[in-house]
Amino acid sequence: TQLLEQSPQFLSIQEGENLTVYCNSSSVFSSLQWYRQEPGEGPVLLVTVVTGGEVKKLKRLTFQFGDARKDSSLHITAAQPGDTGLYLCAGGSSNTGKLIFGQGTTLQVKP
Amino acid sequence: DTGVSQDPRHKITKRGQNVTFRCDPISEHNRLYWYRQTLGQGPEFLTYFQNEAQLEKSRLLSDRFSAERPKGSFSTLEIQRTEQGDSAMYLCASRAGGTGGNGYTFGSGTRLTVV
Repeated sequence: TQLLEQSPQFLSIQEGENLTVYCNSSSVFSSLQWYRQEPGEGPVLLVTVVTGGEVKKLKRLTFQFGDARKDSSLHITAAQPGDTGLYLCAGGSSNTGKLIFGQGTTLQVKP
Repeated sequence: DTGVSQDPRHKITKRGQNVTFRCDPISEHNRLYWYRQTLGQGPEFLTYFQNEAQLEKSRLLSDRFSAERPKGSFSTLEIQRTEQGDSAMYLCASRAGGTGGNGYTFGSGTRLTVV
């Protein structure tokens, strides 16, 4: 069974601080996706990484896929209250496209 | 196209009743997925369709659950004889076919409360 472990599960920080969320697995995935979810809404795709060692940047967010394609990280620089939400990593299967989600990281950024 | 639509947004039902949810995917997406999410957890895979064919079902999907996607367009998820443990957010997502690099588009979900 493929599992994704996210850490930390909860994070409460002050505006302007930096943070990193980790997503780890013993399984290899064809792709790794990061989503952000607001309460009462569906997850919204932030980024997809497919190549081992790949780094993608989205404004203040930096995403990295591990060389072995088993782990990933999300780094946020100078967090803002608007970054508050549930961050989910998800590993993809190349043939079915089915996603295995981590349990999520709830981020609260205080002004 | 306005994205993936789910109806209803909220459903409160009494234990033992049947409920049906609908999902309208992005029209050019041939793959459709159903997930279930409980509070504070990540979504769990339930089932997926490629066009009208249901290609995989999770062990989470008991005999009380059935999903259809007639004509490869919209999909329905029915839960018969609901139980309190069925209370969750039911999410639908669609994506184009091809490699796993194509991201999903999720709907806003249907929140089910069984009382």
